[in-house]
Amino acid sequence: DTAVSQTPKYLVTQMGNDKSIKCEQNLGHDTMYWYKQDSKKFLKIMFSYNNKELIINETVPNRFSPKSPDKAHLNLHINSLELGDSAVYFCASSHLGQVWGYTFGSGTRLTVV
Amino acid sequence: GDSVTQMEGPVTLSEEAFLTINCTYTATGYPSLFWYVQYPGEGLQLLLKATKADDKGSNKGFEATYRKETTSFHLEKGSVQVSDSAVYFCALSGRGGSEKLVFGKGTKLTVNP
Repeated sequence: DTAVSQTPKYLVTQMGNDKSIKCEQNLGHDTMYWYKQDSKKFLKIMFSYNNKELIINETVPNRFSPKSPDKAHLNLHINSLELGDSAVYFCASSHLGQVWGYTFGSGTRLTVV
Repeated sequence: GDSVTQMEGPVTLSEEAFLTINCTYTATGYPSLFWYVQYPGEGLQLLLKATKADDKGSNKGFEATYRKETTSFHLEKGSVQVSDSAVYFCALSGRGGSEKLVFGKGTKLTVNP
C-alpha cells in the first residue's frame, strides 16, 4: 500500500499546454503539501492545505493552482506551461503541527519541451 | 527569512570511510532540524531529527547534534556503505505554527566499494 501516491510519475508536454498532477494519501493525515525540486535538486515549498483549506501559498506564479477536494487528495493544475516549469514535483502529507511526520510521494518529473 | 546552508557536493568516499556533511541554519526562534535522504528515483525519507538544542538525532548509524551556539546540525556516520549513496538534505521547520520545511540544497554522496 503506497502511503502517498502521485500520478503520473513522468509527464512530458509542450509549452503552452495545461496539465494536472494528482496526489492521494492513505495515512489519515490532515495536511498536504506540494514541493518543487529544480534541476539542481533544490527543494522549495509551493502550497499546503489543511483539511481542504489553503494554509501556505508561497510566491508561485498564478498559473499554478492547487485543489483539494478532500483531505486525502491534493491536485496541482498548471496552465500555460513554460520551459522553466520543468522540475520534479513532490507531494507530501503530515498531521498539522507534526512536521517530523512528513511522508513524501515519489515525485512527478515534469518536462516541458 | 529562514535558511539552511549545506556543504557543496558531490562527496565521494570509499566504503567504511567516515562521513561528515556540514549544515548550518539561520532562523528566528528555535526551529526543529532534520536530515532527509533521497535515493535515486525516489521521494525523500526522514533520516533523523532534533527538536531542541543539544538533542542528538540518530538512525541507521547516522547522527547529528543540534548545536544552538553554532547554529549547526552536521550529519556524521562512522563507516559508510555503498548503500548509503544518495542525496542528503538538511532542513528546518520554524516554530509558531509554521508547517513548511526549508531545505538546504542537498549533498550528493557516492560511496565506492
